[in-house]
Amino acid sequence: AQSVTQPDIHITVSEGASLELRCNYSYGATPYLFWYVQSPGQGLQLLLKYFSGDTLVQGIKGFEAEFKRSQSSFNLRKPSVHWSDAAEYFCAVGARTNAGKSTFGDGTTLTVKP
Amino acid sequence: DTAVSQTPKYLVTQMGNDKSIKCEQNLGHDTMYWYKQDSKKFLKIMFSYNNKELIINETVPNRFSPKSPDKAHLNLHINSLELGDSAVYFCASSPAGTGTSYEQYFGPGTRLTVT
Repeated sequence: AQSVTQPDIHITVSEGASLELRCNYSYGATPYLFWYVQSPGQGLQLLLKYFSGDTLVQGIKGFEAEFKRSQSSFNLRKPSVHWSDAAEYFCAVGARTNAGKSTFGDGTTLTVKP
Repeated sequence: DTAVSQTPKYLVTQMGNDKSIKCEQNLGHDTMYWYKQDSKKFLKIMFSYNNKELIINETVPNRFSPKSPDKAHLNLHINSLELGDSAVYFCASSPAGTGTSYEQYFGPGTRLTVT
């Protein structure tokens, strides 16, 4: 069974500081990995995805993530956080089936201090 | 044009009532989902349809019945609503059925409040 752990429930960073959100996964085969962002009152939006190839993937809004198979991790990073990045962030691991079932982590709430 | 739309956005109803939520996607995807997000923001998959066929049916009370009239629409009907059904319900779609890509595109959510 696939599972995702986001160890940090809540992270606070100052505007302009760097950010790293942690994600660890469990999956029996090569995983599909995703990061989604949810702004207050909104649906989830895909930030980036990893399917294969280059282990450093670039996403929207200046985010990137690195897949580390040896550590079963897919951490999300951003070099300089903006106030508008305050949101809920979800890591997900997906299955390569018709259902494309994704299992989501419990989320990390990001607060940005001025 | 909104890629994945849901109606209504808010739904307030009393216990015991029956209600429906509608979802439509114009992305041409074969696969659609219903998720429930509780007050702690935990996201749990309920159902998945691929080209109108039920693929995933998680442990959901049978008061919840999804219906997919065509691959662009996935509706959720809930009978005999209970207080614990209060949550935000998200519809999503994915090109997963094509075997080429598996990310999901979410609707804006329907906030259901049962009083």
